[in-house]
Amino acid sequence: QTVVTQEPSFSVSPGGTVTLTCGLSSGSVSTSYYPSWYQQTPGQAPRTLIYSTNTRSPGVPDRFSGSILGNKAALIITGAQADDESDYYCVLYLGSGIWVFGGGTKLTVL
Amino acid sequence: QVQLVQSGAEVKKPGASVKVSCKASGYTFTGNFMHWVRQAPGQGLEWMGRINPNSGGTNYAQKFQGRVTMTRDTSISTAYMELRRLTSDDTAVYYCAKEDTASVDYWGQGTLVTVSS
Repeated sequence: QTVVTQEPSFSVSPGGTVTLTCGLSSGSVSTSYYPSWYQQTPGQAPRTLIYSTNTRSPGVPDRFSGSILGNKAALIITGAQADDESDYYCVLYLGSGIWVFGGGTKLTVL
Repeated sequence: QVQLVQSGAEVKKPGASVKVSCKASGYTFTGNFMHWVRQAPGQGLEWMGRINPNSGGTNYAQKFQGRVTMTRDTSISTAYMELRRLTSDDTAVYYCAKEDTASVDYWGQGTLVTVSS
């Protein structure tokens, strides 16, 4: 069974840059997996940040960006702000109509 | 504007079934896949499957095969997710979500399903 891996937690200082990654238990992530990224705060539905590797959803600040770094998808937050403190999830499309979420990364800004 | 409005919270006993609805508006219902995602208390998001509202075709996560059925009623722009043989592990918030460009762009508000004896 394919497992999508994310760092369980990460910490960044206000104004700093952080890179969250999204990998596969076996193999490399490429654009063919159409990685997308979602932000969720407690008690709220997720919000779409990035789709198709690096396209920002409407209204998402340009301090959020996506890319492929090495063998993983990455979400880069530059100039982190206090309200970026959230859970972040990636999703990969495995083909044949099947998607898989990563376990999520809890980002702390302090 | 796009809206996905889900049915209200449910309390079910172990072994029972639950059916959650998701009424779509603000776009052409048959033009986009509808996904179902759940989140157990304190846990991450889990993809359950998706339905093509145009054809009715479905794709399910292996974990839920045989226990979940996703359907739709195009006359009222509503998608449904039925989960059978519930256990306490199925206690979660269930979300419907509209697909666009290989991702989800709109989410329902979530439906809490509690399984308890």
